[in-house]
Amino acid sequence: GQNIDQPTEMTATEGAIVQINCTYQTSGFNGLFWYQQHAGEAPTFLSYNVLDGLEEKGRFSSFLSRSKGYSYLLLKELQMKDSASYLCAVDNNAGNMLTFGGGTRLMVKP
Amino acid sequence: DTEVTQTPKHLVMGMTNKKSLKCEQHMGHRAMYWYKQKAKKPPELMFVYSYEKLSINESVPSRFSPECPNSSLLNLHLHALQPEDSALYLCASSRQGYTEAFFGQGTRLTVV
Repeated sequence: GQNIDQPTEMTATEGAIVQINCTYQTSGFNGLFWYQQHAGEAPTFLSYNVLDGLEEKGRFSSFLSRSKGYSYLLLKELQMKDSASYLCAVDNNAGNMLTFGGGTRLMVKP
Repeated sequence: DTEVTQTPKHLVMGMTNKKSLKCEQHMGHRAMYWYKQKAKKPPELMFVYSYEKLSINESVPSRFSPECPNSSLLNLHLHALQPEDSALYLCASSRQGYTEAFFGQGTRLTVV
């Protein structure tokens, strides 16, 4: 089966750094995605990791360890607009499909 | 153009109605998807079309009927829905073999 775990909620302060973890156990693996979703809106693509290591993109970075079935999304210099749900999703190599984790609701406070 | 356009944005329908949700993309993507998302839950995959052919149906009830008339369009026909089918319905597309999915803004469906 497929199992993707993320914390349900996190709270952080404006200007700080927050790390959102994702662990996965899937029958196959062809990459891991992070999406941001504001309430009532569509998910938007943030990052894609298929090899071990860190991918940096501005204030956002994503890390992958395939041997540990683990990824994290790092958000730096938090802004109020970063309050959203962050979805970890795995391509389990079953042909054009993503399996999503439950999502982490991040609240950024002043 | 990196947009996936969905219409309508909001839909209220009775349990005896027939309606359709529409999705359009002009990015040349050959894989298109329907997802259902309930409040505070992640998207759940319903259907995948690959090169205009249905490749994945995640055991969705027959009251949901997808259609892919051409490589740019994806429809979801709705008939005899139940109140528990009320949700945000998301369309997405991706390049074949690469699952970075671009999502539309969704149709918020309410069944009364």
